[in-house]
Amino acid sequence: ETGVTQSPTHLIKTRGQQVTLRCSSQSGHNTVSWYQQALGQGPQFIFQYYREEENGRGNFPPRFSGLQFPNYSSELNVNALELDDSALYLCASSFLRGQDTEAFFGQGTRLTVV
Amino acid sequence: QKEVEQNSGPLSVPEGAIASLNCTYSDRGSQSFFWYRQYSGKSPELIMFIYSNGDKEDGRFTAQLNKASQYVSLLIRDSQPSDSATYLCAVKWGNTPLVFGKGTRLSVIA
Repeated sequence: ETGVTQSPTHLIKTRGQQVTLRCSSQSGHNTVSWYQQALGQGPQFIFQYYREEENGRGNFPPRFSGLQFPNYSSELNVNALELDDSALYLCASSFLRGQDTEAFFGQGTRLTVV
Repeated sequence: QKEVEQNSGPLSVPEGAIASLNCTYSDRGSQSFFWYRQYSGKSPELIMFIYSNGDKEDGRFTAQLNKASQYVSLLIRDSQPSDSATYLCAVKWGNTPLVFGKGTRLSVIA
């Protein structure tokens, strides 16, 4: 158990809909990162939040957005869902202290877009 | 462009043998390295991290780092069927987010 929890665990949405995924970070951690993992691929970085502000973003379109709350929990929002958005969405919690930062993942949310 | 490369496998080893998983990366500079294990349908689980050249041992696992050759490896001694999983190598350059390889699928045959 990493202390990082994500909800929901599974979700089925229709193309064009919007979805919100949630993550509660490990106690004492101030940074949350979101990753998308397609089948057979490694996780791809979407964005990172540190102290409620986005401080890094991967190569994802603006319809992927997020929030971090004062308790360091986080949301990932995806608008106008496309079939290719079907993937495992992972939240990683860490304590930012330079490069020596271990990140721990939640159990993930499996999103299927039909 | 920072990239991390892994052989996708599958790598098959008999039970009790040593499994050797390799990872290469682009772009020299200040880095830290992480190995994650991912069972099918589950999320990645951190096994080990290494920051300095040389070997780091933790139980049956040994991480080996060679920055001059830009590779990092994970050795699993006395491999067990329960070690069968995909092993993800991840690299962090300074304060950048983790960059993952595609993972190597390991199969330990009883």
